[in-house]
Amino acid sequence: GAGVSQTPSNKVTEKGKYVELRCDPISGHTALYWYRQSLGQGPEFLIYFQGTGAADDSGLPNDRFFAVRPEGSVSTLKIQRTERGDSAVYLCASSLSAGNGYTFGSGTRLTVV
Amino acid sequence: GENVEQHPSTLSVQEGDSAVIKCTYSDSASNYFPWYKQELGKGPQLIIDIRSNVGEKKDQRIAVTLNKTAKHFSLHITETQPEDSAVYFCAAFSGYALNFGKGTSLLVTP
Repeated sequence: GAGVSQTPSNKVTEKGKYVELRCDPISGHTALYWYRQSLGQGPEFLIYFQGTGAADDSGLPNDRFFAVRPEGSVSTLKIQRTERGDSAVYLCASSLSAGNGYTFGSGTRLTVV
Repeated sequence: GENVEQHPSTLSVQEGDSAVIKCTYSDSASNYFPWYKQELGKGPQLIIDIRSNVGEKKDQRIAVTLNKTAKHFSLHITETQPEDSAVYFCAAFSGYALNFGKGTSLLVTP
């Protein structure tokens, strides 16, 4: 597609539930990133994929967070046993390769109640 | 890891004036420095970038300068317009990912 697509745009879930956030990157972009943005803050790095593999997952806050990119295109960020502190905007970005300009999606606003 | 500091956190200018936002970074290995503009409810949008082998880059009303020795870089917007009002983020590429500053909320008043 023309840009990075993220679905859903908004997600409200109850504490303790499982959620999946989807990212569809720009076609041909091998690098894919997930970031989390809290109100009034800059995006915070979560995980980087080069192709199908997670090259750097050092930003994932704990083992409740997991991400996959099985075919090197669409990626899914999965959060288990959600907590209120997980509420934030989750941004996905893609680029032709690492070290080049990212194109961000509009994000998924996750609210845990 | 990389630490990016950004100042000021808020900036208000009159239409037609210039705006300057400054950032510092900690990792001397960082080699790519983009700037993003984020409007309410949208993802960050790349507006200009600079690599470590270049000291200055300009694109119409927007320019970026980089001082590698001092590890700081700045965004300059001239002839500001109300539509420039947004949150601006600097970032530095280190390792595998961009590390972002906390953002500057720019308000351009007519």
